[in-house]
Amino acid sequence: DSGVTQTPKHLITATGQRVTLRCSPRSGDLSVYWYQQSLDQGLQFLIQYYNGEERAKGNILERFSAQQFPDLHSELNLSSLELGDSALYFCASSAGTSGGGWDEQYFGPGTRLTVT
Amino acid sequence: KNQVEQSPQSLIILEGKNCTLQCNYTVSPFSNLRWYKQDTGRGPVSLTIMTFSENTKSNGRYTATLDADTKQSSLHITASQLSDSASYICVVTPKAGAGSYQLTFGKGTKLSVIP
Repeated sequence: DSGVTQTPKHLITATGQRVTLRCSPRSGDLSVYWYQQSLDQGLQFLIQYYNGEERAKGNILERFSAQQFPDLHSELNLSSLELGDSALYFCASSAGTSGGGWDEQYFGPGTRLTVT
Repeated sequence: KNQVEQSPQSLIILEGKNCTLQCNYTVSPFSNLRWYKQDTGRGPVSLTIMTFSENTKSNGRYTATLDADTKQSSLHITASQLSDSASYICVVTPKAGAGSYQLTFGKGTKLSVIP
């Protein structure tokens, strides 16, 4: 158990809908990262937050947004969903105290999103 | 574009045998290279992390090697066990300033260990 929790575990929704995925980082970790893993694809970095502020942005679509709250939990909002958004969405957290990408990232169990 | 290519895509080996997984990358300069193990339906777990100046790093039966000149890394698994069945992912972190330090993930090698 990495200490990172994600809810829900599974989510099935229809095209055009909006969903919110939730992540609670490990106790004490300030950074939260969101990743998308589609079938047969590698993990794609979406976005990182550090202590409530956006720190880095990857291949995140404009239909997707995220935020990190004062209690450090994070939410990833996916709107106008398309079939191609079906994927595993992982959240990871790190202490966020070292630079240069040395922080150990601890991954949550993921949320499996199915868009029908 | 920074890329990480892994081979083979999948591998089946008998329990107790050794195997080696390959990773080629174009990320340069890079800060570090990691190998992760991802069990089906679960999040990745870090196995090893190496800087560009390190040649080898071990974690139990897992040994990672790195050749920064040829931009290749390998993960050697010794005396495989059924619990080694998983995807193994090579991840490279670009050096800060070379765009960002966002991790670049390979697609992974799916290893199946059979009795």
